[in-house]
Amino acid sequence: SQTIHQWPATLVQPVGSPLSLECTVEGTSNPNLYWYRQAAGRGLQLLFYSVGIGQISSEVPQNLSASRPQDRQFILSSKKLLLSDSGFYLCAWTGGQGSPLHFGNGTRLTVT
Amino acid sequence: SQQGEEDPQALSIQEGENATMNCSYKTSINNLQWYRQNSGRGLVHLILIRSNEREKHSGRLRVTLDTSKKSSSLLITASRAADTASYFCATDALRGNTPLVFGKGTRLSVIA
Repeated sequence: SQTIHQWPATLVQPVGSPLSLECTVEGTSNPNLYWYRQAAGRGLQLLFYSVGIGQISSEVPQNLSASRPQDRQFILSSKKLLLSDSGFYLCAWTGGQGSPLHFGNGTRLTVT
Repeated sequence: SQQGEEDPQALSIQEGENATMNCSYKTSINNLQWYRQNSGRGLVHLILIRSNEREKHSGRLRVTLDTSKKSSSLLITASRAADTASYFCATDALRGNTPLVFGKGTRLSVIA
């Protein structure tokens, strides 16, 4: 069966520090991968998605970047965090267009 | 970009009552999906309804779709305290290979 792993679960980082969040999927090949951010009590904002290795689409220009170095690995990064980067980050995968999304358990990022 | 908008934003009911949440969207879709999110966790897919379907059931869940009104509803019958969560609709665009777009969700509280 397919599983998605996302870590760390919580992270507290000072302003200006770098960020790396990792997401891996097991049990499937060539998934579509997604990073979403959720502010407290709000909906999901799509940040990046990828339909294949090295293919990254950015939905919102911001202080973050994403990479897909392997088929089932998706990394969210920042060189210098801002206070506004605080939030709940969710990784998700799907088998293709029209299929349901499967989410990881999320990373709670607090930038201080 | 199209977006599902849930209504109401928050709903509080007694255990055993039915809960109805609504979703409106703006443009043509392939399908509409409903997800549930427990506090501090990732989203879990509940049900998918295609644009050529009008109603779908899954256990205590009933989803309707009215493409002429660009709206959907999620009914949870005989609610339980464990149904307390946020519920999101997400729309899958008609044009190919675009990500799901989520609404801001309805926060449901079921009081025992």
